[in-house]
Amino acid sequence: DTGVSQNPRHKITKRGQNVTFRCDPISEHNRLYWYRQTLGQGPEFLTYFQNEAQLEKSRLLSDRFSAERPKGSFSTLEIQRTEQGDSAMYLCASTTYGTGGLGDTEAFFGQGTRLTVV
Amino acid sequence: GEDVEQSLFLSVREGDSSVINCTYTDSSSTYLYWYKQEPGAGLQLLTYIFSNMDMKQDQRLTVLLNKKDKHLSLRIADTQTGDSAIYFCAEDPYSGGYQKVTFGTGTKLQVIP
Repeated sequence: DTGVSQNPRHKITKRGQNVTFRCDPISEHNRLYWYRQTLGQGPEFLTYFQNEAQLEKSRLLSDRFSAERPKGSFSTLEIQRTEQGDSAMYLCASTTYGTGGLGDTEAFFGQGTRLTVV
Repeated sequence: GEDVEQSLFLSVREGDSSVINCTYTDSSSTYLYWYKQEPGAGLQLLTYIFSNMDMKQDQRLTVLLNKKDKHLSLRIADTQTGDSAIYFCAEDPYSGGYQKVTFGTGTKLQVIP
């Protein structure tokens, strides 16, 4: 396993367009998290899944954002009608929650998708 | 809400020790983490400490926790150019996952050869 993979690495889009990002977690990890990171800030939690169930969304996740993890493996994050304020790095992370040990305390992050809305 | 603060920038010479500081506000924090982010890469866990510990040492890394002052530090001994990165501290109330983890703003460490 090569770790958490995110695609695309970079996305430039015009304001008002829809974009979709993909995250492939580490295969045996049952939890998958999405974060947003803006310049000079740490990651901010957006939403997470345990297997295919979306268990929590933060208030940062407006109605224009939707995330899915249909088979409990990869996940997609879609932003509709993008705005310039959506420009950020979108990070995905996965963990092995529930198995005990360090897996519960370490999150493995992907390289992120950098979104620029022009 | 929870707030985690770090200084933005630290510059050290190769071979010197680096000390990166962090303050947090949530007294219920159970775990405190240090993550490293290199350019173009995701965050990588360096080390973590339980809130009932004062110190943890792991090779060149030493973590000190002052729970009374809610102050966490990361000392890197014999700093190398490969240590140049952004370092994030994070607090975790261990609600059962990373959804409640709060990350700091990050400290950019520059190592001068």
